[in-house]
Amino acid sequence: AQKVTQAQTEISVVEKEDVTLDCVYETRDTTYYLFWYKQPPSGELVFLIRRNSFDEQNEISGRYSWNFQKSTSSFNFTITASQVVDSAVYFCALSHMNTGFQKLVFGTGTRLLVSP
Amino acid sequence: GAGVSQSPSNKVTEKGKDVELRCDPISGHTALYWYRQSLGQGLEFLIYFQGNSAPDKSGLPSDRFSAERTGGSVSTLTIQRTQQEDSAVYLCASSLYSGNSNQPQHFGDGTRLSIL
Repeated sequence: AQKVTQAQTEISVVEKEDVTLDCVYETRDTTYYLFWYKQPPSGELVFLIRRNSFDEQNEISGRYSWNFQKSTSSFNFTITASQVVDSAVYFCALSHMNTGFQKLVFGTGTRLLVSP
Repeated sequence: GAGVSQSPSNKVTEKGKDVELRCDPISGHTALYWYRQSLGQGLEFLIYFQGNSAPDKSGLPSDRFSAERTGGSVSTLTIQRTQQEDSAVYLCASSLYSGNSNQPQHFGDGTRLSIL
């Protein structure tokens, strides 16, 4: 069975602080995808990144960076110099790679509050 | 269209009534997914469509729930004899499907369903 754990329920930071959101996953698959989605107060889930299990290279996109470590089954997300607009709930998710479609298994989400 | 469109945005109905939720995917996206987001259960997969067929209905919680998709486009999720535990946000997502390549899912804003 697949499982995603986001142990941090809520994180509060002050603008310009760096913040890391943790994600730990469990799967018996040898090939799989990992995702991060952002859900702002408006409610729409916004796709941020997809990473396949073959590629452990870290990725940076502007103020966002992701650290994938297969050895610890973790896929952590760091926001550098946080801004108020980063306030949202962030979901980590996992899917099979081989079934031809993505059935996403989500973590319970981490609510990030960035205050001015 | 530019994004996944869901209607209605909000639906309030009495226990025991039937409801229909609509999803209009991104043009050209052949894969369509329904998820449910509730306080107690987080984000749960309900059903997946590839074209008009549903290879995976494993997430539908009971036989009161059904879904169909016509013309490889619009999908309708129907809940019969609604119960209070059906209250949740119902999210629809669509993605490009191309063989073994799983493309990221793009989500709509959801329908917030409240059962009185």
